Amino acid sequence: KNQVEQSPQSLIILEGKNCTLQCNYTVSPFSNLRWYKQDTGRGPVSLTIMTFSENTKSNGRYTATLDADTKQSSLHITASQLSDSASYICVVSADNYGQNFVFGPGTRLSVLP
Amino acid sequence: DTGVSQNPRHKITKRGQNVTFRCDPISEHNRLYWYRQTLGQGPEFLTYFQNEAQLEKSRLLSDRFSAERPKGSFSTLEIQRTEQGDSAMYLCASSASSGTGELFFGEGSRLTVL
Repeated sequence: KNQVEQSPQSLIILEGKNCTLQCNYTVSPFSNLRWYKQDTGRGPVSLTIMTFSENTKSNGRYTATLDADTKQSSLHITASQLSDSASYICVVSADNYGQNFVFGPGTRLSVLP
Repeated sequence: DTGVSQNPRHKITKRGQNVTFRCDPISEHNRLYWYRQTLGQGPEFLTYFQNEAQLEKSRLLSDRFSAERPKGSFSTLEIQRTEQGDSAMYLCASSASSGTGELFFGEGSRLTVL
């Protein structure tokens, strides 16, 4: 069964600190992996997308890594800000059709002052 | 480009009533998706439109649910005879048919069934 697991389920850090969120998947075949940020009560917003041939991609203070051999990805947030408080959702798919996207449950990040 | 718009943002209804949600996608996007999201979970696919054609429906979409996209522009999702288990956030997303298939989500419509 195609699945995406994320860890930790939730995380609390202090403002200015770094953190890393994990994503493991069993989706096959694999084409691309995406990370979305979802603020409470809002829709998800795309952070990064990586194909199987890419192993790192950055978007400002967000850096995603991908190991297609071990089927693992991580999202590293540098110098966290209060506005980083949100859920971060890992999404894996075999193609670019949204009906085939497999969404993880998300990691809930809280950044405290 | 004003993004994906959904309304109403919040809907509280009594069990057994019908509700309808509307989604206005990004104008140049011909793909439109509906997802359902419950607390602590990722979005779950409900249905997909390519222009005005509904090409795929999830098994989650019971016969109480119906979606339309007349003229290939805005879309509506109607839930008939609502049940408490229908309480969730209903997300609409649109994407272009070329490129990475990046999904642009609306702010969602939160449904509470009492």
